[in-house]
Amino acid sequence: GENVEQHPSTLSVQEGDSAVIKCTYSDSASNYFPWYKQELGKRPQLIIDIRSNVGEKKDQRIAVTLNKTAKHFSLHITETQPEDSAVYFCAAQSGTYKYIFGTGTRLKVLA
Amino acid sequence: DAGVTQSPTHLIKTRGQQVTLRCSPKSGHDTVSWYQQALGQGPQFIFQYYEEEERQRGNFPDRFSGHQFPNYSSELNVNALLLGDSALYLCASSRGTGYGYTFGSGTRLTVV
Repeated sequence: GENVEQHPSTLSVQEGDSAVIKCTYSDSASNYFPWYKQELGKRPQLIIDIRSNVGEKKDQRIAVTLNKTAKHFSLHITETQPEDSAVYFCAAQSGTYKYIFGTGTRLKVLA
Repeated sequence: DAGVTQSPTHLIKTRGQQVTLRCSPKSGHDTVSWYQQALGQGPQFIFQYYEEEERQRGNFPDRFSGHQFPNYSSELNVNALLLGDSALYLCASSRGTGYGYTFGSGTRLTVV
């Protein structure tokens, strides 16, 4: 069935370093890939997304890359700050209407 | 501009009971999707409502049902509650096909 694998499950980085989270999806028809940040006890918030006709997208310190051939996409956060600490979820749109989410990555930025 | 609002925020129910959760979408959005998020897991798709009809359904039993009203708000009903139904239930709204969900803060359901 449809599946999104996400790695690593936890990630600790020093403040100012970069963080990379990787996802692999199974549905070759997926064409939209959002990333969500969820702080403890709060709602998931969309931080960046990419569509399959684009290979890379950047928004300040955040970037997402997509390799459709390999069915991989990744989130890159540069110059990490303590407020970047949260759980990050990748997702792939499956079919027309639903998202399949990864299992999440708990990012800790150490001051 | 109000975002997605969900009620109640927390709920404790006993096994076998029934529960109704409510969601008001973001202004301008006409599509509501419901997700179940177990502790430490990613959200799992339950179903999506558009034009007052269930448009797509995930792998959830018939105990999970829903409704969308003419003002686009939505309800999620769960019958015959099981301990395993304990989770955070998230409502997400969007416009049309669903790009760029906006999530509500969720309802934390505990079944005892």
